[in-house]
Formats: sequence, C-alpha cells, structure tokens
Amino acid sequence: GEDVEQSLFLSVREGDSSVINCTYTDSSSTYLYWYKQEPGAGLQLLTYIFSNMDMKQDQRLTVLLNKKDKHLSLRIADTQTGDSAIYFCAETYGNNRLAFGKGNQVVVIP
Amino acid sequence: DAGVIQSPRHEVTEMGQEVTLRCKPISGHNSLFWYRQTMMRGLELLIYFNNNVPIDDSGMPEDRFSAKMPNASFSTLKIQPSEPRDSAVYFCASSLRGSRGGLDTQYFGPGTRLTVL
Repeated sequence: GEDVEQSLFLSVREGDSSVINCTYTDSSSTYLYWYKQEPGAGLQLLTYIFSNMDMKQDQRLTVLLNKKDKHLSLRIADTQTGDSAIYFCAETYGNNRLAFGKGNQVVVIP
Repeated sequence: DAGVIQSPRHEVTEMGQEVTLRCKPISGHNSLFWYRQTMMRGLELLIYFNNNVPIDDSGMPEDRFSAKMPNASFSTLKIQPSEPRDSAVYFCASSLRGSRGGLDTQYFGPGTRLTVL
C-alpha cells in the first residue's frame, strides 16, 4: 500500500529557513500536498504541487519535487512563530483518497 | 462558509459505552472521510463516502465501529462498545471530487478528542 515517510521533529530559530522532507510511493499521484496542523485543530491545506512540476513557490513556501527519487520537500523561508505546527505531506491514491505521512513537528524558537 | 463542523469537540466516556461522533461536511461537497489520529499510528483513514455511499471501509478497525451518511449534509461515526484503545482524535473531512482536474483538496473539521476510560 501507500507509504509516505517523514522525519518527526524539527527545531528552528525564528527568521531562519526550515526544510521538511518526505518520500512517497505512488508515482502516479497527480498532485502532492502539504498540510499544516496547528495545535487543537484539523489539518489545513498549505500548498500542493502538480506532478509534472519540479518546483513551486508560494510566498515564503517553496516546494521541491524529485519524481525520480519520489522525494518531496517543503522549505519555509523566514520562519515565524506562527509556523509552529505539524506538517504532513500527502499523496493521492485510488479515487481521490489521500495517504498522509506521520507528520513532522516544527517548533520555532523566538 | 462555516467549514466542516464536528461535534462534540471533546468526549469522555467509560469503557463499554456507546459513542457517536457527528459531522456536517461543507455544503456542495460530495466526498466525506473519517480519520483517526494517534501518536503511535498517525492519521488513519477509517472510511470514505462518495455521494453518501460508503466506498471504502477497509480502515474501520473492527465491527465495533460503524459509520453512516443518511444524507449529503450529515454523517455519524459510532463506536459500540467503546474501549480505552479507541482513545484518539477523530477527524471528518470533505472534498468536491472531480473538481479542478483532479486536485483532491480535503477540508478538515476541528476533530473530536475521544477519551475512553
């Protein structure tokens, strides 16, 4: 089945850049996603990338996709305290279901 | 739009009791998902409905769990009898299948934190 792998914890100083990595299994996924979960809340779509793209930039967010290695990364520039959250990558499989990674907790130190 | 609405937000119950979690998806969405989130197992898909019909319930842990979607604006997840290992945060999400060339954005509710003593 689908297996999305993520590292678990990242600590970063405010103002620095943070990079979160993810590997996925289904090369047929049309889109790959990054979701953000703030404490006590549900997941919220942060950004996504179409599978025929290598990179997507959205303000402070940069998504890089390496289809050969099935590797997805999210870079947050100028990390702010409001970026403290758990970040999940996800891939599509079978009839618009999403397979999520276990999440990466980002803690921003002021 | 109020987004996906879930109730209750917190539920504490004793082992053996019946628990019913409720979800109202975003109006106009045609797909609904129930997830369970725990520290150990992460986010697990329990069941998925499309146009009120259950499409995939392979993630439902066992017969104690059941889900219904009687209409497009309401779904329930029931656990009977509940056990301590069912303690988790249960999320409902909805999406509009077929929109935007396959972009399957799911919109999550705030979750129900269930504690079974």
